[in-house]
Amino acid sequence: DGGITQSPKYLFRKEGQNVTLSCEQNLNHDAMYWYRQDPGQGLRLIYYSQIVNDFQKGDIAEGYSVSREKKESFPLTVTSAQKNPTAFYLCASSRDSQETQYFGPGTRLLVL
Amino acid sequence: SQELEQSPQSLIVQEGKNLTINCTSSKTLYGLYWYKQKYGEGLIFLMMLQKGGEEKSHEKITAKLDEKKQQSSLHITASQPSHAGIYLCGADYSTDSWGKFQFGAGTQVVVTP
Repeated sequence: DGGITQSPKYLFRKEGQNVTLSCEQNLNHDAMYWYRQDPGQGLRLIYYSQIVNDFQKGDIAEGYSVSREKKESFPLTVTSAQKNPTAFYLCASSRDSQETQYFGPGTRLLVL
Repeated sequence: SQELEQSPQSLIVQEGKNLTINCTSSKTLYGLYWYKQKYGEGLIFLMMLQKGGEEKSHEKITAKLDEKKQQSSLHITASQPSHAGIYLCGADYSTDSWGKFQFGAGTQVVVTP
């Protein structure tokens, strides 16, 4: 079965803690993306990667970091510098950056 | 300001009735995507429109893109409970290798018996 997986489904962060959200795809897609979804605001782009070992900041990259060491994996770290991390995080991938994006099931991050 | 506006923000429709959701862009877009989302889940791709005047249908859902490529509508005929959810439009604004992809805020659809 081809698809995009995200883990965990729910994640709790303590003050001052960094947490990492996992995103894996077996679709052989070159491009991968991280979005943040808040109520009533739609999706906002955090980071994107068009190819392995390359990534670019999106509209709201502050307080986040990513890596793209493997084609199938694009983990997102929410650092302690992100003051309002509570949100629903969605990972997506596409064959290339001009093709349709397909989404994972999402991770909900909550702050304790 | 938001480049992509969706309307209405939410709507309640009786089962069997039709509904229409609109997505309006402040500038000409390269491609327009429609997605559906159940609360707390990922987005499911529905359709993509690229040509001015294009219309696509899948089962009871029809999406259209106007000639100027600035407005799209999503129409559901004879709505069913399975049509309930949040519908989002997404727009690609560039023909470059990376287009600025923007999403609308979404339209929540509730289908009542």
